[in-house]
Amino acid sequence: EIVMTQSPATLSVSPGESATLSCRASLSVSNKLAWYQQKPGQGPRLLIYAASTRATGIPARFSGSGSGTEFTLTISSLQSEDFAVYYCQQYNNWPLYTFGQGTKVDIK
Amino acid sequence: EVQLVESGGGLVKPGGSLRLSCVTSGVDFIYAWMSWVRQAPGKGLEWVAHIKSKGSGGTIDYAADVEGRFTISREDSKNTLYLQMNSLRTEDTALYYCAKLYTTTDLAFDYWGQGTVVTVSS
Repeated sequence: EIVMTQSPATLSVSPGESATLSCRASLSVSNKLAWYQQKPGQGPRLLIYAASTRATGIPARFSGSGSGTEFTLTISSLQSEDFAVYYCQQYNNWPLYTFGQGTKVDIK
Repeated sequence: EVQLVESGGGLVKPGGSLRLSCVTSGVDFIYAWMSWVRQAPGKGLEWVAHIKSKGSGGTIDYAADVEGRFTISREDSKNTLYLQMNSLRTEDTALYYCAKLYTTTDLAFDYWGQGTVVTVSS
């Protein structure tokens, strides 16, 4: 099983600032990496796939980078609606998907 | 507008069974590859099962924890995905989501439902 490790567990950020979230894979997953946003009471929302491609309708302030085992999600100029939990997911070992444990972005 | 609506969750005793449903709309369901993903209380996301479209062979896969106990199926005429869960254990307690794969090459999930809660307790 490919283990996905996210850091930090919690990130406190002021509105308007940027946030950088990290995701590390225990084995290379090439660029088969997605990022999701989850708000309370909702299913996850796809933000980024193929490590750096924004999903349909996702604002440009969300950007993804990385390949192999190290990945980053950057949210520039955080808006109030961006405070949520973010998960990374590998699909290189499809269908044995694995997710990170999540990073909660909260208001500083 | 794409919608995935899960139902069928509830409280069940260990060893019991439940059948979850996921009704989809706004999706070409006949071509869709679908999964069930669960989230235990206060925990992260865990993939459970997957089914390809019939046109892609209808291949089914399960996570090791549920293989032999859970059965995923689909009814394309009703745009509906199912998960039959037998021999339930307390550790199966979770919010169960159905999710649609984005494409057959980009295997992320582009749409998710709101989930249905399964509680396994005596």
